Amino acid sequence: EAGVTQFPSHSVIEKGQTVTLRCDPISGHDNLYWYRRVMGKEIKFLLHFVKESKQDESGMPNNRFLAERTGGTYSTLKVQPAELEDSGVYFCATGATSYEQYFGPGTRLTVT
Amino acid sequence: RKEVEQDPGPFNVPEGATVAFNCTYSNSASQSFFWYRQDCRKEPKLLMSVYSSGNEDGRFTAQLNRASQYISLLIRDSKLSDSATYLCVVSSGYSTLTFGKGTMLLVSP
Repeated sequence: EAGVTQFPSHSVIEKGQTVTLRCDPISGHDNLYWYRRVMGKEIKFLLHFVKESKQDESGMPNNRFLAERTGGTYSTLKVQPAELEDSGVYFCATGATSYEQYFGPGTRLTVT
Repeated sequence: RKEVEQDPGPFNVPEGATVAFNCTYSNSASQSFFWYRQDCRKEPKLLMSVYSSGNEDGRFTAQLNRASQYISLLIRDSKLSDSATYLCVVSSGYSTLTFGKGTMLLVSP
């Protein structure tokens, strides 16, 4: 069975540009989470979808970040406009229940 | 105070050594506890859940002390392949995970 996939694996953009990250969950997983690790810091929660609904978005840093999960399948996380402090690794995790979470390989975002 | 605090690393140990990691958490409402393992530039992977009664999985033993809000992980007979960063993770029961910064383990021949 395929695991959680994320695209792209790396992205280098300039400050002020827009970037969209994508996460494809394991088939049948209704729970989808976004996390971020900024260099030197711990992995931090951004938001949680159950199917297409946002269950918890308390970790979203500001309104430059927009997450969607239309149809309850894949999810996108858009950063617009990107700032230098947005650089980091963005992980997606999915689970059939709220107890289990399988992480994708992450997208390494560098904002220059 | 950070929500999850772990021993600073890295821990450098020879093969065959026993190594222990400690972790404390600040949210007394935390309900679920885990150790994750993360290899360099890879995603975190669940190593084991941690239960109040303590649990063991091969060479790995995890302990939880709710009164002290303390979690530990013991690795016996370290292997080269155990080299990784070990992440202490807690959840309040609403499924979002709160991570520690991790402790790096380097096992040398």
